[in-house]
Amino acid sequence: SQTIHQWPATLVQPVGSPLSLECTVEGTSNPNLYWYRQAAGRGLQLLFYSVGIGQISSEVPQNLSASRPQDRQFILSSKKLLLSDSGFYLCAWSLEARELFFGEGSRLTVL
Amino acid sequence: DQQVKQNSPSLSVQEGRISILNCDYTNSMFDYFLWYKKYPAEGPTFLISISSIKDKNEDGRFTVFLNKSAKHLSLHIVPSQPGDSAVYFCAASGWRDDKIIFGKGTRLHILP
Repeated sequence: SQTIHQWPATLVQPVGSPLSLECTVEGTSNPNLYWYRQAAGRGLQLLFYSVGIGQISSEVPQNLSASRPQDRQFILSSKKLLLSDSGFYLCAWSLEARELFFGEGSRLTVL
Repeated sequence: DQQVKQNSPSLSVQEGRISILNCDYTNSMFDYFLWYKKYPAEGPTFLISISSIKDKNEDGRFTVFLNKSAKHLSLHIVPSQPGDSAVYFCAASGWRDDKIIFGKGTRLHILP
């Protein structure tokens, strides 16, 4: 069966520090991978998605970036965090952009 | 521009009654719609979906209705149970489009 894991689950970072969130999927090949953010009053905002290794589409201009170094690995990064980057980050996978399967989420607090 | 809209931030329903959550969309290229349920500090879980070739899909207590001409869909939960208290997200995707767009969610409170 397919599983998705993301980590860390919780982190508190100072403004201006770097960020790296990692997500891995098991039990499927060539999935579409997604990063969403849930911020207060904003619902689930699509940040990045990827249909293959090295292929990244960005939806929201920001100081975040994403990379897909392997088929089932998706990384969300920032060189310098802003206060507005605080939120609950969710990784997800799907086949053919239909049903999405989400990870457990990562709570980021930027102070 | 918000392509998927859930205009009710919250909804309170008595236990045992019907809960109706609404969703509107603006992109006529959307052809697949999904509902997700989310508890705090957890990832959303899939509830039910509907393709644009249908106008109704049912799964147990959950039924989704799609009105393509109005670009509107709704989720009916009957009967409502205490465990249904959560945030519900409507989502949509288009044919050959890899993006899945979510609404802002509706918080459902089931009252005892």
